[in-house]
Amino acid sequence: ETGVTQSPTHLIKTRGQQVTLRCSSQSGHNTVSWYQQALGQGPQFIFQYYREEENGRGNFPPRFSGLQFPNYSSELNVNALELDDSALYLCASSLDGDEQYFGPGTRLTVT
Amino acid sequence: AQSVTQPDIHITVSEGASLELRCNYSYGATPYLFWYVQSPGQGLQLLLKYFSGDTLVQGIKGFEAEFKRSQSSFNLRKPSVHWSDAAEYFCAVGRYSSASKIIFGSGTRLSIRP
Repeated sequence: ETGVTQSPTHLIKTRGQQVTLRCSSQSGHNTVSWYQQALGQGPQFIFQYYREEENGRGNFPPRFSGLQFPNYSSELNVNALELDDSALYLCASSLDGDEQYFGPGTRLTVT
Repeated sequence: AQSVTQPDIHITVSEGASLELRCNYSYGATPYLFWYVQSPGQGLQLLLKYFSGDTLVQGIKGFEAEFKRSQSSFNLRKPSVHWSDAAEYFCAVGRYSSASKIIFGSGTRLSIRP
């Protein structure tokens, strides 16, 4: 059974740029959630995708968007990057929204 | 407002000593409560969860937590810590078993003294 994987592990972007983060869900899972974890903070819910549809969103601006593909992998896109977007981005997959399994995260630095 | 408070930012205990990490929550409905652990460079791992029933919940790695509705608390305990328990611990609260719509606390960093 393959766990949740995320890519890339780290990346550095410049303010104003756009970024795409990727997540491969655990085999058999149909739900993916994304979280932002700023340094020294707990994770904050960005949004969830269930069977390719957005199924809930946290308090994040529209420049944070996502996709879920037919194989249930997912992307998180962030436009017009700001310095405060620097954080660890966590992806978690589950079956029908039950217990979530987290990936190792992508560390994004915006300069 | 819904919130989770972990009052201890950093705790250091000696190996073999007992541990208690505090968590208080504010939630409008009956809460679903979780404890997660995060090691450096790792994602979050679920230690235990409480939905209903027995208020003392057993988890993995020898951890347990007790739900006290009157105190709005869900403290995590372990009778004897091991050096490998050094990590960041997060308490979280949500509405359903779905962990996607949960609110996390800011975490407690646990260090182990040899």
